Amino acid sequence: RKEVEQDPGPFNVPEGATVAFNCTYSNSASQSFFWYRQDCRKEPKLLMSVYSSGNEDGRFTAQLNRASQYISLLIRDSKLSDSATYLCVVKGWNAGGTSYGKLTFGQGTILTVHP
Amino acid sequence: DAGITQSPRHKVTETGTPVTLRCHQTENHRYMYWYRQDPGHGLRLIHYSYGVKDTDKGEVSDGYSVSRSKTEDFLLTLESATSSQTSVYFCAISRTGAEQYFGPGTRLTVT
Repeated sequence: RKEVEQDPGPFNVPEGATVAFNCTYSNSASQSFFWYRQDCRKEPKLLMSVYSSGNEDGRFTAQLNRASQYISLLIRDSKLSDSATYLCVVKGWNAGGTSYGKLTFGQGTILTVHP
Repeated sequence: DAGITQSPRHKVTETGTPVTLRCHQTENHRYMYWYRQDPGHGLRLIHYSYGVKDTDKGEVSDGYSVSRSKTEDFLLTLESATSSQTSVYFCAISRTGAEQYFGPGTRLTVT
């Protein structure tokens, strides 16, 4: 089982739609959770951290369910500029019990927003 | 955007030659990382550093070495490049070891 699993998509949605991405992680001791976005042939960019209480940043809402080891990202009122690959990222601990910010990346969910 | 640069941005080299990629930051962040990104594998950690002269291996470290002689620079060396090391290499930095910020990447082709 992969440490971080995402539906690869692609998701094709019209402008203005609401779209949700899901992600599951296998290590129950994982510490921190993030969503990154990556545009074609560019570097990943931090979109938002995910907090246990859930958090919102404009049109973006992230949720964390530690019991189910599940993370979600909701995008409301999709824009053309939201087209990208969305990466679910988990920070955990390695087998030695130490961690210096080792992130494990999901393979990403491709979103295309069309007019 | 975080002050991270990578050099070179593109490189083509032959099998068996040594290659060094450079990551430079102006943020004075403690942590630095090297990743590679390949289709079907996503981003994978090669090596990381948690301070000057302090480095450790990631999940795909075979064939790679790193050095960090000063806070702002983190070098990745392929001692003898192989075709399997053709990839896009990203450097990342972090102040706390949590959120990471990535450089623009280096596209390396080994022929």
